[in-house]
Amino acid sequence: EVQLLESGGGFVQPGGSLRLSCAASGFTFSLYAMSWVRQAPGKGLEWVSTISASGDSTYYADSVKGRLTISRDNSKNTLYLHMNSLRAEDTAVYFCAKYTHFQLQRQDYFDYWGQGTLVTVSS
Amino acid sequence: QSVLTQPPSASGTPGQRVTISCSGSSSNIGSNYVYWYQKLPGTAPKLLISRNNQRPSGIPDRFSGSKSGTSASLAISGLRSEDEADYYCAAWDDSLSGPWVFGGGTKLTVL
Repeated sequence: EVQLLESGGGFVQPGGSLRLSCAASGFTFSLYAMSWVRQAPGKGLEWVSTISASGDSTYYADSVKGRLTISRDNSKNTLYLHMNSLRAEDTAVYFCAKYTHFQLQRQDYFDYWGQGTLVTVSS
Repeated sequence: QSVLTQPPSASGTPGQRVTISCSGSSSNIGSNYVYWYQKLPGTAPKLLISRNNQRPSGIPDRFSGSKSGTSASLAISGLRSEDEADYYCAAWDDSLSGPWVFGGGTKLTVL
């Protein structure tokens, strides 16, 4: 059974930093691209970032480029999201999601998601 | 404001058939597959429909998807109380909005 368990969310002041983790199990982690998708309070889902299976390729939404960094440790089956220079508009539940391919491409999609971890950015 | 447009709410009584619409443009739904996800409060989003109309293993045939032009629909027949959830559509987008765009979600209430 595929399981994705996010952690690391919390309360942080504007300009602060946080690191989210996503522990994966139930599939061969190193074979699939992984993503972060977020949902702000009362809003829809927003794609944030994707990393290829090997970690060689990363992709970001314009809204987070230069502030959030995605990474992965295939030896630990763990996905990360390093969050710097946080803003109030980054407040959201952050979900990690498994992709159906080793690379981000149009013919594939997100097949499994975690339950999410809440990040609140406020003074 | 989400790139894909969904009605904020929908409702039906047990046994009824309900449909949820998802409207996009030529850069997303018009030229790419549509996906549907179900989200219950406090749980992970669950894939219901892939590639416009494909049901993953374990998804009942009460759920079906369709696409026409730049719009898509999710239909739920034989409505059950456990179908009460939020439903989201998603699609790849070829424009600067992409690569992945989502709808704002539709809250389905089973009366």
